[in-house]
Amino acid sequence: DQQVKQNSPSLSVQEGRISILNCDYTNSMFDYFLWYKKYPAEGPTFLISISSIKDKNEDGRFTVFLNKSAKHLSLHIVPSQPGDSAVYFCAASAQTGANNLFFGTGTRLTVIP
Amino acid sequence: EAQVTQNPRYLITVTGKKLTVTCSQNMNHEYMSWYRQDPGLGLRQIYYSMNVEVTDKGDVPEGYKVSRKEKRNFPLILESPSPNQTSLYFCASRSTGAYNEQFFGPGTRLTVL
Repeated sequence: DQQVKQNSPSLSVQEGRISILNCDYTNSMFDYFLWYKKYPAEGPTFLISISSIKDKNEDGRFTVFLNKSAKHLSLHIVPSQPGDSAVYFCAASAQTGANNLFFGTGTRLTVIP
Repeated sequence: EAQVTQNPRYLITVTGKKLTVTCSQNMNHEYMSWYRQDPGLGLRQIYYSMNVEVTDKGDVPEGYKVSRKEKRNFPLILESPSPNQTSLYFCASRSTGAYNEQFFGPGTRLTVL
């Protein structure tokens, strides 16, 4: 049973526009959320995270929003650049089970020059 | 350069032939883990280790073994591989602290015929 869901397998965006990647989770015990970026033939690399005590975290062009009541988070990339083209994974962990990260299935972002 | 390395990167084998995928990190991280990535399922944790000689099962441990005799190394062992273990495998590590982001290796693509 997938506890972290990314319902959009792919997304295409024009360069310079905003990219919005969505993620939903079902486990109310999750209290820390991360986004990873993955290029072909490489391992995932950490991008940005957010704790459940916040509803927004920003790092340069990347902002993550958390809506706990809806069990939903989103990653905004503004402006999008061709180098952002990659697969993005949402992940979550719970304080009581912090030895494991639960990953979504990923969204492939393509930024069109 | 801080990194997690895995070997081999690609492996084709036959059912029942024992194999080991090595993982090594140079960041002095206490925590290491193994994931497999399958289409439509995201990354799922196989085993993790909190420190030397301390290992535990993740979500999908069946058919796998691990050992942690040294802090830097965390090999994944398939004693009798089967075709359903054909997958992309990632090793990861992080420092102590439940919410620290994990650093991933480049992946090992395994095909079991």
